[in-house]
Amino acid sequence: AQTVTQSQPEMSVQEAETVTLSCTYDTSESDYYLFWYKQPPSRQMILVIRQEAYKQQNATENRFSVNFQKAAKSFSLKISDSQLGDAAMYFCAYRNDYKLSFGAGTTVTVRA
Amino acid sequence: GAGVSQSPSNKVTEKGKDVELRCDPISGHTALYWYRQSLGQGLEFLIYFQGNSAPDKSGLPSDRFSAERTGGSVSTLTIQRTQQEDSAVYLCASSLGYGPLPTDTQYFGPGTRLTVL
Repeated sequence: AQTVTQSQPEMSVQEAETVTLSCTYDTSESDYYLFWYKQPPSRQMILVIRQEAYKQQNATENRFSVNFQKAAKSFSLKISDSQLGDAAMYFCAYRNDYKLSFGAGTTVTVRA
Repeated sequence: GAGVSQSPSNKVTEKGKDVELRCDPISGHTALYWYRQSLGQGLEFLIYFQGNSAPDKSGLPSDRFSAERTGGSVSTLTIQRTQQEDSAVYLCASSLGYGPLPTDTQYFGPGTRLTVL
């Protein structure tokens, strides 16, 4: 079974600053997908960014980027120029077939 | 276009009653998934549909839980004889396909918060 670990229960960032969320995972597979999802208080899980394991280039979506280290099984999310709307719980997730395995989540607070 | 929708948004029930939770996937999505989000267990996979069939029911916590999908579209998750430990947010997701392609990314609905008194 795959396990996903998010070691930071909470992170706080000043508006316009940068915050990095950590995620590690355990797998014996070589081909898989990694995701970061955002869950605001509305409960809607929103896809932030996706990374294919076979791609060496780190994925980027506007202010969101990842640092994917396959050998270390590490997949961190960097939020640049943080905005008040970024406040939410962020989940790291792993998928190699159809099932998503999630980490415990990191709550991000943005200070004005 | 319209996203995944779920109803009801919130459901309060008494212990021992049956409940039905509904999910309407994105139009054209062939795969549908149910997850449960609870304080103690985090996000757990429950069941997955390819079309109307469920190849993987491994996440259903007990035989009180069942799910069906009709017409390759709407799905219903039924919990019989609800218990207090069933209290959680039940999330539904859908994807275009059910393989490892980027187009198979799962998109989630807003969830149903179930409270069992």
